[in-house]
Amino acid sequence: DSGVTQTPKHLITATGQRVTLRCSPRSGDLSVYWYQQSLDQGLQFLIHYYNGEERAKGNILERFSAQQFPDLHSELNLSSLELGDSALYFCASSVAAGWADTQYFGPGTRLTVL
Amino acid sequence: AQKITQTQPGMFVQEKEAVTLDCTYDTSDQSYGLFWYKQPSSGEMIFLIYQGSYDEQNATEGRYSLNFQKARKSANLVISASQLGDSAMYFCAMREGPRDRGSTLGRLYFGRGTQLTVWP
Repeated sequence: DSGVTQTPKHLITATGQRVTLRCSPRSGDLSVYWYQQSLDQGLQFLIHYYNGEERAKGNILERFSAQQFPDLHSELNLSSLELGDSALYFCASSVAAGWADTQYFGPGTRLTVL
Repeated sequence: AQKITQTQPGMFVQEKEAVTLDCTYDTSDQSYGLFWYKQPSSGEMIFLIYQGSYDEQNATEGRYSLNFQKARKSANLVISASQLGDSAMYFCAMREGPRDRGSTLGRLYFGRGTQLTVWP
């Protein structure tokens, strides 16, 4: 158990819908990262928050947004869902934002868009 | 160019034998971290081992060791005394240094992974 929690574990929804994925980092960790894993794209970085502020954006679609709250939990919002958004979404956390900081991953949320 | 290359889509090893999973990386940074993660069929990503670019000794964590060859830009994972429970997908990843380059800052670059199968 990495100490990172993600809910829900599974999510099945329809095209055009909106969903929210939730992540709680390990106790004491200030950074939260979101990644998307799909068969064709592999593991793709989406976004990084540090202590409530957005630090870096990767391959995140405009239909997707995220935030980190004062209690450091984070939410990833996916809207106008398409079939291609079906993937495993991971949240990871680290103590700080340095290049040597290990990112610990949550169990993931498996999103299926029908 | 790919930041992380894992050339072995699949590897097979017999129980109790050692196995090496290959990883090469591409960066012009002097400061970077190299990581290996394990993903069993259940889906979670489990951190295994870390090597920093300035570390002179190869990292070791139990049965895992990282064969770091900086000049060759390789960071191979060695698993000694393989166990059936080691069967999983293994990902090599890199995080580059702190230069402000916008979207690249903070991210891990992952390879495509190597599927390891341990047989009895």
